[in-house]
Amino acid sequence: AQKITQTQPGMFVQEKEAVTLDCTYDTSDPSYGLFWYKQPSSGEMIFLIYQGSYDQQNATEGRYSLNFQKARKSANLVISASQLGDSAMYFCAMREGRRDSSYKLIFGSGTRLLVRP
Amino acid sequence: DTGVSQNPRHKITKRGQNVTFRCDPISEHNRLYWYRQTLGQGPEFLTYFQNEAQLEKSRLLSDRFSAERPKGSFSTLEIQRTEQGDSAMYLCASSPYIGGGQETQYFGPGTRLLVL
Repeated sequence: AQKITQTQPGMFVQEKEAVTLDCTYDTSDPSYGLFWYKQPSSGEMIFLIYQGSYDQQNATEGRYSLNFQKARKSANLVISASQLGDSAMYFCAMREGRRDSSYKLIFGSGTRLLVRP
Repeated sequence: DTGVSQNPRHKITKRGQNVTFRCDPISEHNRLYWYRQTLGQGPEFLTYFQNEAQLEKSRLLSDRFSAERPKGSFSTLEIQRTEQGDSAMYLCASSPYIGGGQETQYFGPGTRLLVL
């Protein structure tokens, strides 16, 4: 069965420094997608970055990059140059890419990031 | 380009009452999803539609829950005879259909339900 594990309930980072949020996953499907979402206190889930299982390079989107290690089944999010506005909950999610799949997302339990000024 | 919208944003109701939530997806997206998120947890899948067809329902979706998406546009999620355990954030997401599982789901702001 699919599973996403985020082992860090909470993280602190100093403003302008980089931080890594951990995510490991489990699936038997060779085709899958990995996503990171940010959820501020307002509640909306904001899409950050996507990595496909067959992508050869790590995904990057501005200050966000995904450290994808397929053999270790990990997909850690790296945020560079942290800003106060980065303080939020961060969720890792996975979706199987089979043709008969619903493409529903399976989420981890999240990591709360607090950026210190 | 407007995002996913949900109404109402907040709902307080008494146990036993019925509630209905609405989701308006991004206009060109033919896939629509409902998730439920309880405090301190990640969202959990409830159901999804491709156009007007409801193609999958989670075991979380008890008989008291029903979802519709008439004409493949907006969707409604109704909870009958609400219970205190239904208190949660209800999130709607939409995505285009591309194939291969690479579509990104874009979420609305959610409806926060409190059952007293």
